[in-house]
Amino acid sequence: AQTVTQSQPEMSVQEAETVTLSCTYDTSESDYYLFWYKQPPSRQMILVIRQEAYKQQNATENRFSVNFQKAAKSFSLKISDSQLGDAAMYFCAYYDYQLIWGAGTKLIIKP
Amino acid sequence: DTGVSQDPRHKITKRGQNVTFRCDPISEHNRLYWYRQTLGQGPEFLTYFQNEAQLEKSRLLSDRFSAERPKGSFSTLEIQRTEQGDSAMYLCASSPGQYMNTEAFFGQGTRLTVV
Repeated sequence: AQTVTQSQPEMSVQEAETVTLSCTYDTSESDYYLFWYKQPPSRQMILVIRQEAYKQQNATENRFSVNFQKAAKSFSLKISDSQLGDAAMYFCAYYDYQLIWGAGTKLIIKP
Repeated sequence: DTGVSQDPRHKITKRGQNVTFRCDPISEHNRLYWYRQTLGQGPEFLTYFQNEAQLEKSRLLSDRFSAERPKGSFSTLEIQRTEQGDSAMYLCASSPGQYMNTEAFFGQGTRLTVV
């Protein structure tokens, strides 16, 4: 069965600095999708970035980028120029026919 | 369209009572998902619909849980004979495409507390 592991329950970063959130997953499939979602306090889940496994190029969305290492089954999220609004729970998810989620990383931004 | 809407936002119920939640997806979104999220955890898949057809149910979904999506529009999730372990946030999401590679839009969730 596919599993997703986020080993950092909490991370903190100084405003304007860069932070990397880790995610590893386990699958026997060769083609799949990976996602990072953000869940601000008391607000809904929002898609941050997606990666298609067959694409070697790492996905980028403005200040957010991923480091996708398919062989290592690693999918980390880098947030550059951190802003106060980035404070949230961040979830890594693997898509089979439904999303399989990690336990999340709470990101704290220090002003 | 203002996004995925869930009602109610909060529900407190006594153990043993039945509760029903509603989800209104974004118009013309074919897929609708229900997830359950407990504090400090990622969401757990419960079930999903392709239009009005319920295509998959998690083994986590006991026979006390039932979901419907009549006419492929809004969906309801009913929990019968609630237990304290049912206390959680229930999330609904919809997506436009047949495959989840398209973005899933989430509602704000319904927080259930069973006392």
